[in-house]
Amino acid sequence: DMQMTQSPSTLSASVGDRITITCRASQHISTWLAWYQQKPGKAPKVLIYKASSLESGVPSRFSGSGSGTEFTLTISSLQPDDFATYYCQQYSSRSGTFGQGTKVESK
Amino acid sequence: EVQLVESGGTLVQPGRSLRLSCTVSGFTFDDYLMSWVRQVPGKGLEWVGFVRGNNYGGTTEYAASVKDRFTISRDDSKSIVYLHMNSLQTEDTGIYYCTRGVQRSCTSATCYWDSWGQGAQVTVSS
Repeated sequence: DMQMTQSPSTLSASVGDRITITCRASQHISTWLAWYQQKPGKAPKVLIYKASSLESGVPSRFSGSGSGTEFTLTISSLQPDDFATYYCQQYSSRSGTFGQGTKVESK
Repeated sequence: EVQLVESGGTLVQPGRSLRLSCTVSGFTFDDYLMSWVRQVPGKGLEWVGFVRGNNYGGTTEYAASVKDRFTISRDDSKSIVYLHMNSLQTEDTGIYYCTRGVQRSCTSATCYWDSWGQGAQVTVSS
């Protein structure tokens, strides 16, 4: 089974910081990777698809990169609205596996 | 505006059945893959199953953990997607989200989910 591993599990940061979250796939997935943001009590919202394509309406401070088995989500300048949990998801294999999540909290 | 609204979530005893509904508006099913994703406390997000758009055969696929117990169907005339859940187990407890994938942006296997409903809570407990 495909496994998606995110690191770190929790990230403490301040407004204005540049932060990076990593997602590793247990098998090669080309660029079939999406990133989501979830706030408490809300559904996830897609930010990035195909590893680096920005979903319409998502601020340009969010960016994604990577291919194969290693991927990153970067927020160039953290804003108050960005404190949330972030998930990666592969869609190369039918299981469409999600990572376990990275919680971005205020330092 | 694209909207997905789930209903039918409730408390149910183990071994019983339950049907969730997802009423959609703002788009038609033909070009979209409609899916159910659940969020289980302590286990994260898990894909449950999907139904392909009519233009792509309208076929269904399921996760191994629910195959033979869960069924997805669709009423195009009412713009509703259903998740029929049989033989429910305590480990099926969670929030069930109805999600949409743009078929042309999917791989041959599955998709990423560009729209989500607000979720329906299903609790399986005696």
